[in-house]
Amino acid sequence: DSGVTQTPKHLITATGQRVTLRCSPRSGDLSVYWYQQSLDQGLQFLIQYYNGEERAKGNILERFSAQQFPDLHSELNLSSLELGDSALYFCASSVGGSRETQYFGPGTRLLVL
Amino acid sequence: EDKVVQSPLSLVVHEGDTVTLNCSYEVTNFRSLLWYKQEKKAPTFLFMLTSSGIEKKSGRLSSILDKKELFSILNITATQTGDSAIYLCAHNRGTSYGKLTFGQGTILTVHP
Repeated sequence: DSGVTQTPKHLITATGQRVTLRCSPRSGDLSVYWYQQSLDQGLQFLIQYYNGEERAKGNILERFSAQQFPDLHSELNLSSLELGDSALYFCASSVGGSRETQYFGPGTRLLVL
Repeated sequence: EDKVVQSPLSLVVHEGDTVTLNCSYEVTNFRSLLWYKQEKKAPTFLFMLTSSGIEKKSGRLSSILDKKELFSILNITATQTGDSAIYLCAHNRGTSYGKLTFGQGTILTVHP
């Protein structure tokens, strides 16, 4: 158990819908990262927040957005969902914002029908 | 753009065998290389390598980095069925942010 928690574990929804994934980092960690894992793309970095501010963006679609709250938990919002958004979404956290080891949460499996 | 390539993509061995997993990288500014083990869900951290030639070891697992030749290997000795997993290698550029660029992973299957 890494200490990173994610909810929900599984999510099944329809195309066009909007969902919110939630992540609580390990105690003391200031950075939260979101990754998407699909069969064809592997693990891809989406976005990073550090102490409430966006630090870096990766291959994140415009339909997706995220934020980190004052208590350091983070939410990833996925809207206008498409079949291709079906994937495992991981949250990771680290103490600092760059070189530290990232610890991954258990992930949320999203299925878009 | 940073690139991380792992080989082989899949490996099937018997318990007791020793395996070597490879990770090569092409990155602009090397900072660190990380190995993760992914079983059913979350990738679990194994090693972080920053210096060339220094072996990191944890039980039957060990890893080493060669910054000149731009690769790393992960060795597992006396494999057990519990070692069956996807092994992921990732580069952390770690300048002002911590984006990890992952390889495609090696699927290791250990048969009894």
